[in-house]
Order: sequence, then structure tokens, then C-alpha cells
Amino acid sequence: LAKTTQPISMDSYEGQEVNITCSHNNIATNDYITWYQQFPSQGPRFIIQGYKTKVTNEVASLFIPADRKSSTLSLPRVSLSDTAVYYCLVGDEEYGNKLVFGAGTILRVKS
Amino acid sequence: DTAVSQTPKYLVTQMGNDKSIKCEQNLGHDTMYWYKQDSKKFLKIMFSYNNKELIINETVPNRFSPKSPDKAHLNLHINSLELGDSAVYFCASSQLGVRRNTIYFGEGSWLTVV
Repeated sequence: LAKTTQPISMDSYEGQEVNITCSHNNIATNDYITWYQQFPSQGPRFIIQGYKTKVTNEVASLFIPADRKSSTLSLPRVSLSDTAVYYCLVGDEEYGNKLVFGAGTILRVKS
Repeated sequence: DTAVSQTPKYLVTQMGNDKSIKCEQNLGHDTMYWYKQDSKKFLKIMFSYNNKELIINETVPNRFSPKSPDKAHLNLHINSLELGDSAVYFCASSQLGVRRNTIYFGEGSWLTVV
């Protein structure tokens, strides 16, 4: 299973762009990269997913270099409500690979 | 409507007791999971069921027994509770073949064993 490494925590201020990078050096060919967000006292929720290059949705952007050994979640203009834990997952449940959650990155947004 | 609902949300019980946590999903998904999040916030998969059949069973003590009466329900029964079982237990579901790796989690059940 591909192991992921993320920063333990990050601090930011409202209105700034936040980039969280995840390393996954042994990503497999059929693995997808998926990011989840977890607020205190809630379950994780899906944010964005990609396989290669760039993916953008209404919440975030995901940048994946050609070698796919890392990925960067970009949150534009964060607000206080973006304070949460962000998890990077690598795997593909379609092939029966269970998705493994790492320690995640605690993002603290300050005013 | 809550997509993945689990009950109870909070549970305080004594060591040695047997307890159950119930989970239901109304998303029509074919796969359901139980995850455990410990005090260090690590989220670990315990079990996965696809169409009522067990497909993932991590190294979990056999005091933990999942039961899936139908594909919309996956209950977790825990026998002889121990202090180390104190954690947050999340039920989740997904639909294989649709939007890869998108798992929908419940709100969690906070279990405290005293």
C-alpha cells in the first residue's frame, strides 16, 4: 500500500491561499489521490480527487506532477471555517485496495 | 436527510460490558465500512462489507463482530469491552464503480469505556 507523508500542522490567516503537499513515493499505477477534510466531532468528507495533472472543483484544486510521487491540495482564500484536518489518501478501492488514512495535516486558520 | 447515520452518538460503559453501534445508509451504496479513530486521531479501517459480504477484516480482536443484515446496514457489536476500546467509531459507505474512493462517513460514535 502506498504510504503518504504530510506536514503535521499548518497555520494560515483568513484570505490567504493554503497549499498542503503530500508525498507518496510508492504510488501504484492504478492508484488515485484523494483528499478528505475532517472537522472536529465530525466524520471525514471528500474534497477532491485526481489521477494526474490538475483538478479543480468549487472547493479546492489538486496539483499532481508527472511522476505522481506527490500532490498538492490548494485551498484558495481560506476562512476560519476551513480550520480542519486534511487527509491525503492514495489507493484504489476499485481494485480492492483499502484506503489508508495517514495522520493528516491540522490546518489552523486565524483571523 | 442524513446519508450515513449511526447510533448512539455517545456511549459510556463499564469494562467487560457488551455494546452495539448501529449504522444505516440511505445512499443505495453497496459497500459499508467501520473505521476507528483513536486519541491520536489516526483513522484506521476495521471492516468492509460489500453487498453484505465481508471483504476487509483488519487485525481487529474477535471481540469485535460486524453484522450486515442487508446492504444498507452494518452494525458493530463489541464484547467484553476494554479500556483500550475507547475511541470514536465511524461508519461509512461507498459505491464501487462510481466516483472512485469517495467514502461517505457518518458523524461518529464516541465510545468511552470506564
